[in-house]
Amino acid sequence: KAGVTQTPRYLIKTRGQQVTLSCSPISGHRSVSWYQQTPGQGLQFLFEYFSETQRNKGNFPGRFSGRQFSNSRSEMNVSTLELGDSALYLCASSLHTTYEQYFGPGTRLTVT
Amino acid sequence: KNEVEQSPQNLTAQEGEFITINCSYSVGISALHWLQQHPGGGIVSLFMLSSGKKKHGRLIATINIQEKHSSLHITASHPRDSAVYICAVESGTGTYKYIFGTGTRLKVLA
Repeated sequence: KAGVTQTPRYLIKTRGQQVTLSCSPISGHRSVSWYQQTPGQGLQFLFEYFSETQRNKGNFPGRFSGRQFSNSRSEMNVSTLELGDSALYLCASSLHTTYEQYFGPGTRLTVT
Repeated sequence: KNEVEQSPQNLTAQEGEFITINCSYSVGISALHWLQQHPGGGIVSLFMLSSGKKKHGRLIATINIQEKHSSLHITASHPRDSAVYICAVESGTGTYKYIFGTGTRLKVLA
């Protein structure tokens, strides 16, 4: 069974631009969560989707948004990028919201 | 004070040693997770606990709900165990579902 895939793996953007990251969960998994990892703040929870509905949201500004499609694939969008948004963005999928999570390899975003 | 505290922050051990990593939390939780992150960023979920003890190979995880404390033990450590180990709690209340510890960087020397 294929694992969680994230595209792109690496991305360089300029301050003020917007970016969309994609996550394809393991087949059959209906829950997708997104996380941000930075050297200063460590891992932080962004949001979780289940069956196309946002179930939980972390403490991030409204510039961070996401959605989930009917095939469980998920995207997250960051608008008006700031230098501090440079990070590794990880997504994880699970069968249901309370089940073990499987992480993707991450997208490393650099904002210049 | 962070809601999830891990100790130690860094740990160097000799191959074969028994290793313990601790995690204390101050919020109500529905579950606690232990994650392993290798250089390059890939994260693997090791355990998800809500009570008691779990064992997988050389890894053992325990949780004491009353004391709000969990430990991850590695028996007969090996250089391939070198990684960052992260404790994460699944909060049963509030908006922020997952709260992460800052991680323990483990290096096992041959």
